[in-house]
Amino acid sequence: EAQVTQNPRYLITVTGKKLTVTCSQNMNHEYMSWYRQDPGLGLRQIYYSMNVEVTDKGDVPEGYKVSRKEKRNFPLILESPSPNQTSLYFCASSPGTLYNEQFFGPGTRLTVL
Amino acid sequence: DAKTTQPPSMDCAEGRAANLPCNHSTISGNEYVYWYRQIHSQGPQYIIHGLKNNETNEMASLIITEDRKSSTLILPHATLRDTAVYYCIVRDNAFITGTASKLTFGTGTRLQVTL
Repeated sequence: EAQVTQNPRYLITVTGKKLTVTCSQNMNHEYMSWYRQDPGLGLRQIYYSMNVEVTDKGDVPEGYKVSRKEKRNFPLILESPSPNQTSLYFCASSPGTLYNEQFFGPGTRLTVL
Repeated sequence: DAKTTQPPSMDCAEGRAANLPCNHSTISGNEYVYWYRQIHSQGPQYIIHGLKNNETNEMASLIITEDRKSSTLILPHATLRDTAVYYCIVRDNAFITGTASKLTFGTGTRLQVTL
């Protein structure tokens, strides 16, 4: 089944403890992206990647890192999480920047205490 | 990208058509209209998109006015499973940078389908 998977789905952590949220897609998509969703603010893009080893900042990249060493994986790294990073995170992929449809993962609900 | 305006909420009886409006009066000539929906904090799901002609797929129909300043998403026979937040998004499909694929979600319309 074609899908985007994220792990973990739920995570409660403490300030400053490094964490990684994994994202993987099995559709051989070139383009991958991370969004965060907060009440009243909609979805905002954090980082995106147009292909392996090509990443760039979205609208809200502060406090996050990403890497794209393989086409299928696009992990989101929080080196020193803070409470303002408590949010619902979505990974998405699409065949390319020209393509119309983005496929979203199920989401990761992160709470930073 | 052009800004969109949607009503915050709508109700629809099951089995009836749900018509969700969207205003995008500042849309430019090369901007497409997209619709996504999000069911209860799940990942957003693509529904349909169009440029200026009406479009139909297995999920819905999209009607775009001739001046392209507004559009309507039609779910022909709404079911309880269609209860969700529906997002109307306008964006440029031109290959300029990777941010061309950024989806700017507003607050959408919360559609409640009832028995």
